Amino acid sequence: EAGVAQSPRYKIIEKRQSVAFWCNPISGHATLYWYQQILGQGPKLLIQFQNNGVVDDSQLPKDRFSAERLKGVDSTLKIQPAKLEDSAVYLCASSQRDREGELFFGEGSRLTVL
Amino acid sequence: GIQVEQSPPDLILQEGANSTLRCNFSDSVNNLQWFHQNPWGQLINLFYIPSGTKQNGRLSATTVATERYSLLYISSSQTTDSGVYFCAVPIYYGGSQGNLIFGKGTKLSVKP
Repeated sequence: EAGVAQSPRYKIIEKRQSVAFWCNPISGHATLYWYQQILGQGPKLLIQFQNNGVVDDSQLPKDRFSAERLKGVDSTLKIQPAKLEDSAVYLCASSQRDREGELFFGEGSRLTVL
Repeated sequence: GIQVEQSPPDLILQEGANSTLRCNFSDSVNNLQWFHQNPWGQLINLFYIPSGTKQNGRLSATTVATERYSLLYISSSQTTDSGVYFCAVPIYYGGSQGNLIFGKGTKLSVKP
C-alpha cells in the first residue's frame, strides 16, 4: 500500500514570494491534515479536511496561508507572501474515517525562507 | 487545552542498552500514538495504543489511561533507533478527533 506522498521535498524561497505544497493521501483515507513543524518542536495542526470539507482551520494563518482539497483526494497548501518565520517542515497526514486518531504522515516538505 | 509532556528530553545510549521513554498527558484521552522521527524528518508510526501493552520487535509500549501516562520501551538499542520520539494524543474538534497534540519529543542518540 502506498503511503502519503508529498512534493516538493525541499524548497528555498525569498521572503514575500509564494510557494505551494502538494499532498496525496493514502488511498481510501477520507481525512487529510496539514501540520507545520518548526525546528526543535512537535508538529502543530494547520488544517484538517474530511473529504473536501474543512473540519478545523483554527490555527491556519489565513492572511497568508490557504489550502484546498477540491475533489476530496489530493490537497494543496499555499503560502503567499512567505515570511521568515514560515521556515519549517510541512507535513501532510491522512487517516481512515473509522480510526481518525491514527494518523499516517508523509515525508514532509522542508521550506526555507531567506 | 490538553498538555502532553515527554521525558527525558534527551537521551544518549550505548548500542545494546535498554531505555524507557515517558509521556504524561493532562486530560483523559481515548487513544495515543507513538512516532519515531528519523534523521530525514519523516514521522514513522510506532504504536497506536489507547490502553494496555503492545509489542513490535524490540519496541513495546504501555498506556495506562486512568493514570494518564504512556511508556515506550526500547530494548537492545541500535544506531538506527536514533532520532526523536514523539507521543501524541487526539482532541475533539467539530465532531472529529483527528487533531493530534504532540509532546516536545525525546531526542535519542545511540552510539556504536
